[in-house]
Amino acid sequence: DSGVTQTPKHLITATGQRVTLRCSPRSGDLSVYWYQQSLDQGLQFLIQYYNGEERAKGNILERFSAQQFPDLHSELNLSSLELGDSALYFCASSSTADTQYFGPGTRLTVL
Amino acid sequence: AQSVTQPDIHITVSEGASLELRCNYSYGATPYLFWYVQSPGQGLQLLLKYFSGDTLVQGIKGFEAEFKRSQSSFNLRKPSVHWSDAAEYFCAVAPMDSSYKLIFGSGTRLLVRP
Repeated sequence: DSGVTQTPKHLITATGQRVTLRCSPRSGDLSVYWYQQSLDQGLQFLIQYYNGEERAKGNILERFSAQQFPDLHSELNLSSLELGDSALYFCASSSTADTQYFGPGTRLTVL
Repeated sequence: AQSVTQPDIHITVSEGASLELRCNYSYGATPYLFWYVQSPGQGLQLLLKYFSGDTLVQGIKGFEAEFKRSQSSFNLRKPSVHWSDAAEYFCAVAPMDSSYKLIFGSGTRLLVRP
């Protein structure tokens, strides 16, 4: 158990819908990272927050957004969902500029 | 652009045999280097990491990795594989910028023959 929690574990929705994925970092970790794992793209960095502020952006679509709240949990919002958004979404957290600890992931299925 | 190459998509070894998983990276300077393991239906678990110093690093579960600057490689090894090691292994680099976001290789799936 990494100490990073993600909810929900599974999410099934339809095209065009909007969903929110939630992540609670390890106690004391200020950085939260979001990654997407899909069969065709592999594991890709989406976005990073540090203590409530966006720090880095990767291959994140404009339909996707994220935020980190004062209690340091983070949410990833995915809207206007397409079939190709079906993937495993991981959250990771870190306390310093090194090791990231990953949550169990949220599996999103868009039908 | 930074990239990580894991040339082997699948590797099959017999239980008790030795293992080496290859990883090459492309980056202007020496980045932070990591190996993660993902068991079926699970998240990613850190096996080991290299930041600086001794180029042979020890990790959990009996794994080790060697950083070779001249070859831009960070290969993962284990002297004797156990059936429970069957999983997918990812090599990753983190550029030493302010984000330390991870750039992953495509992964190597390890199958273990009884």
